[in-house]
Amino acid sequence: DTAVSQTPKYLVTQMGNDKSIKCEQNLGHDTMYWYKQDSKKFLKIMFSYNNKELIINETVPNRFSPKSPDKAHLNLHINSLELGDSAVYFCASSPRRGNTEAFFGQGTRLTVV
Amino acid sequence: DQQVKQNSPSLSVQEGRISILNCDYTNSMFDYFLWYKKYPAEGPTFLISISSIKDKNEDGRFTVFLNKSAKHLSLHIVPSQPGDSAVYFCAARGGVNKFYFGSGTKLNVKP
Repeated sequence: DTAVSQTPKYLVTQMGNDKSIKCEQNLGHDTMYWYKQDSKKFLKIMFSYNNKELIINETVPNRFSPKSPDKAHLNLHINSLELGDSAVYFCASSPRRGNTEAFFGQGTRLTVV
Repeated sequence: DQQVKQNSPSLSVQEGRISILNCDYTNSMFDYFLWYKKYPAEGPTFLISISSIKDKNEDGRFTVFLNKSAKHLSLHIVPSQPGDSAVYFCAARGGVNKFYFGSGTKLNVKP
C-alpha cells in the first residue's frame, strides 16, 4: 500500500549504458516530480509533470528524459550514463499544481561504474 | 548558487531537551517554507510548513519560526525524543511547483 513507489531501489550500471527508473503513485495526485540528491546532499528538482504535462524542466542534460504515460506514473530514462550521474533519485507527488506538500518515494541509488 | 542553506550538518541533543534546526535562504521571493524529515533508506516526509506572511506555525511538539528580514527560519522540537533522530531538510517554494531544498541537518537525540 506504498503511496509513492520507485523501482529499482538500487541500480549499479556501467558508463555508457541506458537505464530507466520507474515511479508510481496511488494517491490520485495530479503532480509528480523527479529530484536528484547529489553528493553534497542537496535535493534538486529535475522535472515536474502536472496531469502528464511537463511543467518544470530544470537545466538537466538531455540524456535525461522523463515519460508520463498517465498521471499515476512518471518514469525517468537516462541515456549514455556518466560517472557524474551517480546519485540518489527521488520521485515525489503532490495533490495538485502549486500544492506545497510533496510525498516522496524511498529513492533509487544509482551507481555508475 | 544554493538558495537554501543548512549550515549545520549535524546536531546532537539530549532526550527531553529542545532541538533547534536552522535554515537560511537568499531569495526574498520565496513564499512558502517547509520542513521534511528523512529516515535512512526512506524518502523525505513532510513535517510542517509556514507561509511567508506568518512568522510562526506550531504543530504539537514542532514549531517553525520565520524571520523574513534575516531570511532565516528555524524548527524547534520540544521535547526531543529518540524517534526524532533523522535528517531534517528545509525547503522553500520559489514558484509554482518549484522547491529548493537545503542539504539537511542530521539530528541525533540521545536517550
